[in-house]
This record gives sequence, C-alpha cells and structure tokens, in this order.
Amino acid sequence: DSGVTQTPKHLITATGQRVTLRCSPRSGDLSVYWYQQSLDQGLQFLIQYYNGEERAKGNILERFSAQQFPDLHSELNLSSLELGDSALYFCASSVSGPSSYNEQFFGPGTRLTVL
Amino acid sequence: GIQVEQSPPDLILQEGANSTLRCNFSDSVNNLQWFHQNPWGQLINLFYIPSGTKQNGRLSATTVATERYSLLYISSSQTTDSGVYFCAVDRDDKIIFGKGTRLHILP
Repeated sequence: DSGVTQTPKHLITATGQRVTLRCSPRSGDLSVYWYQQSLDQGLQFLIQYYNGEERAKGNILERFSAQQFPDLHSELNLSSLELGDSALYFCASSVSGPSSYNEQFFGPGTRLTVL
Repeated sequence: GIQVEQSPPDLILQEGANSTLRCNFSDSVNNLQWFHQNPWGQLINLFYIPSGTKQNGRLSATTVATERYSLLYISSSQTTDSGVYFCAVDRDDKIIFGKGTRLHILP
C-alpha cells in the first residue's frame, strides 16, 4: 500500500458526460500528479500540482481540468467525455518542492469506461 | 521532445532465471525512476535512481546518466515478478514514461 488513495475504483459513464476523480496524497506529500494510461498511448503525464498551485502540465486535454485543495487532496475533472477517454487514471504524490521531480508513489488508479 | 526507449519489449523466462531490462533516453534528464506494474494494474516503485547503482533484494538498478541509459537487473526470477516494467524520466518539468518491458515468468 503506497498510502495514496483514489476514488472511485471504477467508473462507467456515457459519452458527453462529466466525471470527477479524487485523489488523496500520502501524509506529508505536497505534490500530486495525474496520469492517464490507455492501450494505445501508454502512460502519459497529465498535470502536477504543488501545494495548491499548478506546477507542470503535460498532455492534458482542454476538456480536462484539475485542482488541489487546501487539505492537499486533488480532483481531476473530465468533461464532454469521448470513447477515447476510456483509460486507467492514476494519481501519484511526492514530497517534492516546486522545482524538481522526486520519487513518486502511485495510487491504485481509477478505471474509467466511457460507453 | 525527449525519447525514452525500453528493451526488450517482451521477455519470457523460466522461474529462477536472471534478466536485464534496459532504458535508453535521448537527452539528459533530471531524474529517473523504475516501476513494476503488476497484473492487477498496480504501479509499484522499484528504484528512484538518477545516477549510480542501487540494490533491493533480488533487484538492482544502474543509471549511467552521461551515457543516457539505465539498467534494471532481476535475479532468480519468481512468478510474482511478472508484469510490465516501466522507466520514467523527468526533463523540463515533463515526466515521460517508456512503453515498458512485459515480463512473463513461467513456473
């Protein structure tokens, strides 16, 4: 158990809908990262937050957004869902400060299926 | 952008065998990490190794940053070692994963 929690574990929804994925980092970790793992694209970095502020942005679509709250949990919002958004979404956390990558610990993931 | 290539893409071994997995990257990186994704999808940290050599039980890893590669060694393989092994690098605040090596250990 990495100490990172994600809810829900599974999510099934329809095209055009909006969903919210939730992540709680390990105690003491200030950074949260979101990743998408799909069969055709592999593991892709989406976005990083550090202590409530956006720190780095990867291949995140405009239909997707994230935020980190004062208690450091994070939410990833996916809207206008398409079939191709079906994937495993991981959250990771680290102690890192704003200027460097540090060892990341991954949550169990949320499997999103868009029908 | 930076390219991360892992080899071999697939590996089938008998239990007890040793293996070496390789991660090449096309430019200098700030950090490198190895992960194991088990058959249930869970991503497990193996090594955080921007340079040098580390060992943890039957696993060890070496990163030669100046030559832009890292190696993961698995000795005396067990069936529980099956899964996909990923390396991930950090460059310009972007984290890039390789496509992984799928390892299947036969009993």
